[in-house]
Amino acid sequence: QQQVKQSPQSLIVQKGGISIINCAYENTAFDYFPWYQQFPGKGPALLIAIRPDVSEKKEGRFTISFNKSAKQFSLHIMDSQPGDSATYFCAASYQGGSEKLVFGKGTKLTVNP
Amino acid sequence: GAGVSQTPSNKVTEKGKYVELRCDPISGHTALYWYRQSLGQGPEFLIYFQGTGAADDSGLPNDRFFAVRPEGSVSTLKIQRTERGDSAVYLCASSPAPGTTGELFFGEGSRLTVL
Repeated sequence: QQQVKQSPQSLIVQKGGISIINCAYENTAFDYFPWYQQFPGKGPALLIAIRPDVSEKKEGRFTISFNKSAKQFSLHIMDSQPGDSATYFCAASYQGGSEKLVFGKGTKLTVNP
Repeated sequence: GAGVSQTPSNKVTEKGKYVELRCDPISGHTALYWYRQSLGQGPEFLIYFQGTGAADDSGLPNDRFFAVRPEGSVSTLKIQRTERGDSAVYLCASSPAPGTTGELFFGEGSRLTVL
């Protein structure tokens, strides 16, 4: 059972464009929703995260939109840059004493110059 | 460096052999996690340590997999009788304390190839 479904699998955008990655979850007990960024040969690194008490969180060019009733959340990357080219993973967990994250399958983003 | 350190970075072994993968977490982090990442997939949870004890080992696929953290710092993931399907990148992560920031700090992983 895949608890976090992520789409698209791959995404190509032009420099300066907006990248949008979507995720849906099933477990209503989840209360923490991070996005991780992974470059080839590196481990994932936290990019931005949201908790369900807010519908949107923005950090620089990165924004998470959260829809609790639809059990969906998305990552928007504004003014996408070639350096943003990486694989992005959404994840979810319930903070019952651990950060046991359930990850989506990832989206490979390519930003063309 | 101050990050999570994993060794070896690459390990090639033959089917049926025993392997050990080591993780040195960020100093002071009490929580330690092992994840497995297969090609083209997201990381998959294996086991979580709080201190020296395994608080949650529900992700270990079978009894060929075992992990220890005897002194509450360095952890070793042990795989017996390796199979080709065990080939993956094994990621270790640590966090300051469970349920605080929510952030996991990942190492670069140990890539295991079973021939």
